[in-house]
Amino acid sequence: AQSVTQPDIHITVSEGASLELRCNYSYGATPYLFWYVQSPGQGLQLLLKYFSGDTLVQGIKGFEAEFKRSQSSFNLRKPSVHWSDAAEYFCAVGARAGGYQKVTFGTGTKLQVIP
Amino acid sequence: DAEITQSPRHKITETGRQVTLACHQTWNHNNMFWYRQDLGHGLRLIHYSYGVQDTNKGEVSDGYSVSRSNTEDLPLTLESAASSQTSVYFCASSAGLAGRTDTQYFGPGTRLTVL
Repeated sequence: AQSVTQPDIHITVSEGASLELRCNYSYGATPYLFWYVQSPGQGLQLLLKYFSGDTLVQGIKGFEAEFKRSQSSFNLRKPSVHWSDAAEYFCAVGARAGGYQKVTFGTGTKLQVIP
Repeated sequence: DAEITQSPRHKITETGRQVTLACHQTWNHNNMFWYRQDLGHGLRLIHYSYGVQDTNKGEVSDGYSVSRSNTEDLPLTLESAASSQTSVYFCASSAGLAGRTDTQYFGPGTRLTVL
């Protein structure tokens, strides 16, 4: 069974500073990987995804993530955070095999941005 | 633009009552999902459907049911609401064919309170 760990429940960064949100997964093969963002009172919006190919993935809003197979990680990064990035971020892993389209979500990291 | 909508956005009900949450998508996606979101648990899968007349149980399906009579709708029914079902409920859909994992698009959520 697959699993996802987001070790940081809450992160605070200053506006303009760089950001890295950690995500570690457990899966027997190369998984599908996703990062979603959730603003208060809203649904989840896809930031980026990794299915195959280049392990550095570019997403919306200036975010990127790098798939590192050796570390079972898919960390999300942004070089300069804006106040509007304050939200909760979810990493998710999807299975490649079988007829069950199972996507497992992490417990989320809440990002606070201070001026 | 295609979208996924949920209604109602907020619902307060009493223990023991039957409650139905609506989900409607105009993406023409085959696959639809219901999740619940609780603090410390991230998103947990309740039920999912790969097409009309197809429904499957997720990891937390006890006390919930779904039916899929058309492509656009997947209503979630709580047969006899319990306080433990107080949560935020999200509907999602994806295009993945034959159960293949694909990006899930989320609705705005329904906040349900069971008193």
